[in-house]
Amino acid sequence: AQSVAQPEDQVNVAEGNPLTVKCTYSVSGNPYLFWYVQYPNRGLQFLLKYITGDNLVKGSYGFEAEFNKSQTSFHLKKPSALVSDSALYFCAVRDITETSYDKVIFGPGTSLSVIP
Amino acid sequence: DTGVSQDPRHKITKRGQNVTFRCDPISEHNRLYWYRQTLGQGPEFLTYFQNEAQLEKSRLLSDRFSAERPKGSFSTLEIQRTEQGDSAMYLCASTSQRGVRGYTFGSGTRLTVV
Repeated sequence: AQSVAQPEDQVNVAEGNPLTVKCTYSVSGNPYLFWYVQYPNRGLQFLLKYITGDNLVKGSYGFEAEFNKSQTSFHLKKPSALVSDSALYFCAVRDITETSYDKVIFGPGTSLSVIP
Repeated sequence: DTGVSQDPRHKITKRGQNVTFRCDPISEHNRLYWYRQTLGQGPEFLTYFQNEAQLEKSRLLSDRFSAERPKGSFSTLEIQRTEQGDSAMYLCASTSQRGVRGYTFGSGTRLTVV
């Protein structure tokens, strides 16, 4: 079965420093991977996706993610964190089994706090 | 196009009552998903529609839950005989047919069962 793990419940980083939010996945075939962000009392917003091609994917708000097949990871990164980046971040994987109809499975989330 | 709309934003109900939520997806999106999110957890898949057809239901969706998308546009999610364990944020998302695209989520309906 497909699954997503986010090993850190909480990540704290100083404003201006680089940030990384970790994600590992498990799928039976080739993964489609996603990152979403959720601000308080809001729905999830799509940040970026990896389908195929370049392992480094660029997304919204200056975020990028690196796909590493050998380590089954898809870590989210940003070179310089902003206080406004503080939010809940979810990694997700597409379930590509025949009957899944591209249902996406979400990880448990990582709370990012950027400290001024 | 104003995105995915969900109504109501908040619902407080007494245990045992029935509740119904509505989702209006982006008009050109033919795929619609319902997820449930509890505090501190990621969204959990509940059910999926392609046009008006409900193609998949999670085992999380007990017999008390029913969802419809009668004309392939808006969708409703009904919970009968609500229980305290139903308290959660109910999220609706939509996407288009072709390719693998990110979902567009609504802001959700927060249900509190007292």
